[in-house]
Amino acid sequence: DIQMTQSPASLSASLGETVSIECLASEDIYNNLAWYQQKPGKSPQLLIYYASSLQDGVPSRFSGSGSGTQYSLKINSLESEDAATYFCLQDSEYPYTFGAGTKLELK
Amino acid sequence: QVQLKETGPGLVQPTQTLSITCTVSGFSLTSYYMQWVRQTPGKGLEWMGFIRSGGSTEYNSEFKSRLSISRDTSKNQVFLKMNSLKTEDTGVYYCARDVNGTPFDYWGQGVMVTVSS
Repeated sequence: DIQMTQSPASLSASLGETVSIECLASEDIYNNLAWYQQKPGKSPQLLIYYASSLQDGVPSRFSGSGSGTQYSLKINSLESEDAATYFCLQDSEYPYTFGAGTKLELK
Repeated sequence: QVQLKETGPGLVQPTQTLSITCTVSGFSLTSYYMQWVRQTPGKGLEWMGFIRSGGSTEYNSEFKSRLSISRDTSKNQVFLKMNSLKTEDTGVYYCARDVNGTPFDYWGQGVMVTVSS
């Protein structure tokens, strides 16, 4: 199975700051990487697919990049509504696997 | 608009079978894959399996032969059945829609399942 190592596990940032979250795959996943945002008590919401494609309706302050085994999610100009847990998912190979999540707290 | 909603038992006894229904609207099951994902305290988010638009299935081997996914297109429903439940299966179970290249673009609200005697 492909292991997805996500970092950091948690981070704290201020409104207006820029943050990055990383996912490292145990093997090449050929950009088959998606990012999700989950707020407490809610289901995950798709932000980015195929490493860098922005899902319809998602603010442009979210962006994704990477290739091979290393991928990142960047959030520019943090807003209060961005407080959430973020997950990566690889859908390159069965079984699909998720990262453990990054909890973003706004100061 | 696209909607998905899971319904299930809430509480299941160990060794028993879990049955969850995902009822969808706003799209056709014959045009999309339907995924099942669960979120447990012990393992976080886990992909369980899916049923393709054509009706074939793919499962995570982690669940071996315990898991079955099926559908009734006339009722716009997808079904998850998992037997031999253990306490570690306690968690939230989600159905999600999938289209090639855009994984899990819509999710249901999830259903909490507790495995306990």
